[in-house]
Amino acid sequence: QKEVEQDPGPLSVPEGAIVSLNCTYSNSAFQYFMWYRQYSRKGPELLMYTYSSGNKEDGRFTAQVDKSSKYISLFIRDSQPSDSATYLCAIGGDYKLSFGAGTTVTVRA
Amino acid sequence: DADVTQTPRNRITKTGKRIMLECSQTKGHDRMYWYRQDPGLGLRLIYYSFDVKDINKGEISDGYSVSRQAQAKFSLSLESAIPNQTALYFCATSVATGELFFGEGSRLTVL
Repeated sequence: QKEVEQDPGPLSVPEGAIVSLNCTYSNSAFQYFMWYRQYSRKGPELLMYTYSSGNKEDGRFTAQVDKSSKYISLFIRDSQPSDSATYLCAIGGDYKLSFGAGTTVTVRA
Repeated sequence: DADVTQTPRNRITKTGKRIMLECSQTKGHDRMYWYRQDPGLGLRLIYYSFDVKDINKGEISDGYSVSRQAQAKFSLSLESAIPNQTALYFCATSVATGELFFGEGSRLTVL
């Protein structure tokens, strides 16, 4: 079993829709919960970073963590064509992050 | 200029050849990493280094070696490349418990 499982997608949504991305993990010792965004032919870049259960908002993005269920989500509100990218969840501890396989999102204008 | 620079960006080679991928950073971070990205498998850790004298194997280190020449430089070598090492390779840096900063990637094709 992989340490981190991510809903594979791909997702194609119209502009303005809400995008929902999800990951589950197996190691209850994991402390850090991140979402990275990766544009085509680029390296991943950090989008959201949280330590605790609950919601964290940053503009149109909301990261949600449920440690009891070992489940994390990323919501993108009012999605834009510029949000078209691959989104990777990353979960881990002090020295190592385990990444999900990524979900490719396309936002249609 | 990019904070984390990888060279080469693209490389095509033949089975059995020795390949080196280089990474340099200007972020001043002590921690450096090499990851491999394959479709459907995500990013997998090959090696990581917390300082110049510290080298650690990741989850898929077989067939790879690394050298940390300086705080800012971390290279990945494939001693005898094989086709299933065809992948996108990323170097990354971080501070302790912090976010990873990735380079632009090195696409390696082994024929």
